[in-house]
This record gives sequence, structure tokens and C-alpha cells, in this order.
Amino acid sequence: DAGITQSPRHKVTETGTPVTLRCHQTENHRYMYWYRQDPGHGLRLIHYSYGVKDTDKGEVSDGYSVSRSKTEDFLLTLESATSSQTSVYFCAISDLVRFRDGYTFGSGTRLTVV
Amino acid sequence: AQSVTQLGSHVSVSEGALVLLRCNYSSSVPPYLFWYVQYPNQGLQLLLKYTTGATLVKGINGFEAEFKKSETSFHLTKPSAHMSDAAEYFCAALFGNEKLTFGTGTRLTIIP
Repeated sequence: DAGITQSPRHKVTETGTPVTLRCHQTENHRYMYWYRQDPGHGLRLIHYSYGVKDTDKGEVSDGYSVSRSKTEDFLLTLESATSSQTSVYFCAISDLVRFRDGYTFGSGTRLTVV
Repeated sequence: AQSVTQLGSHVSVSEGALVLLRCNYSSSVPPYLFWYVQYPNQGLQLLLKYTTGATLVKGINGFEAEFKKSETSFHLTKPSAHMSDAAEYFCAALFGNEKLTFGTGTRLTIIP
């Protein structure tokens, strides 16, 4: 979607190295989310943000941290990447007023940890 | 616990045949319900949603879904499958908080 971009689109990294994924939105939406997608598990929530500097954990937050210093940017950091974090990561945004519209998703980042 | 269940991780139908993808939720209060589609190497795109009102909702690409409270279901259907419908489909629910809960997905294959 034009209103939400993820970078990088693909990344290969080594076990033990830190990795940061970026999500950028131009919609001025309050809520931002990081999900990971794995076969057989669907999408699972890692962390989410409900405002600048306001974040909370999702169901699979271990090994991940996030930061949101500006409305438009939500960063996901793997402090020390492990092979189990090989996955496709999706960022999503939503608006408090229009929750019933669901989320808008980015195109994803494919991360491979070797 | 509140959850979303999709029956069948893989569904194959012939071109022109009926498509039926199943979704059930577990919750004492009906949630907002969504179907998303994911084409290869792409993000998720909203197909349709149920919030309140009419229980039969129509979405893009000829898909529709019916909310049945008594069955806690929100199955996705399309009368006639097209090759372009091949994709992965996700059912999701908003259980009264800000976070969507997803099912595990159903991969739809169309047989020529």
C-alpha cells in the first residue's frame, strides 16, 4: 500500500547479530503493529504501538524490542538474531476511529537468519 | 480464550466450482470479523468485513461471507472459482481490543 512501507524488503543476517526493521506510514494512524508470518501459524502479533513512545507486547515478543519516536515510524529490533526468527515480518496500521475497517498491511520483510 | 479457527490449511477446487473457506471464532461476544487475501510475495489485502447490521457481506472479487452467531462462524464463499483466486486466505477477528487475532490461513488452489 502506498501509505505504508517496510524496509528492507529482504535481509539475510548471521546468528547473533542485531537487526532493525523499519515501518513507515504516511496516514497519520495512531496504531501500528508488527506481526510475523510462519507456515502453520498464520500471523502472530509481536509488538504494537498505540501512540508515540507507547508500546506493548504481543503474543510472541521474546527476543524482540520496538521503538516509536515519531507517529510515522515504528522500528522492530532483533537484539541478537536467532534462526527461529527467520520469518516474514509484516507491519500494519489502523485508526482508532475506523477500527472496524481493519488494518492496512505493508508488503512485508523477508528475514533469513543463517 | 478468544481465538479464530480456520478448517483446512489447503483447499483445492476446480475452476468454475464453488469456493468455501471455513472460519469459526471462539468468544462469548461476537467480534468484528474480517477476511484477508494474500497473493504470493505480497502483503494482506482486505476482502470483506462484518461489523454490525446485515449478516451477509459482500467483498471484492465476487467473494461474500455470512456471519452466523448461532454457529460462531464466518465462512467465505464464491460461486465460481477463477484461476486468479489462487492465494492464501486469512480470517481474523477483533475481540473488543485494538489487536486483530488471525487464523492460521487456508491456501486455495484452483485446478484448471
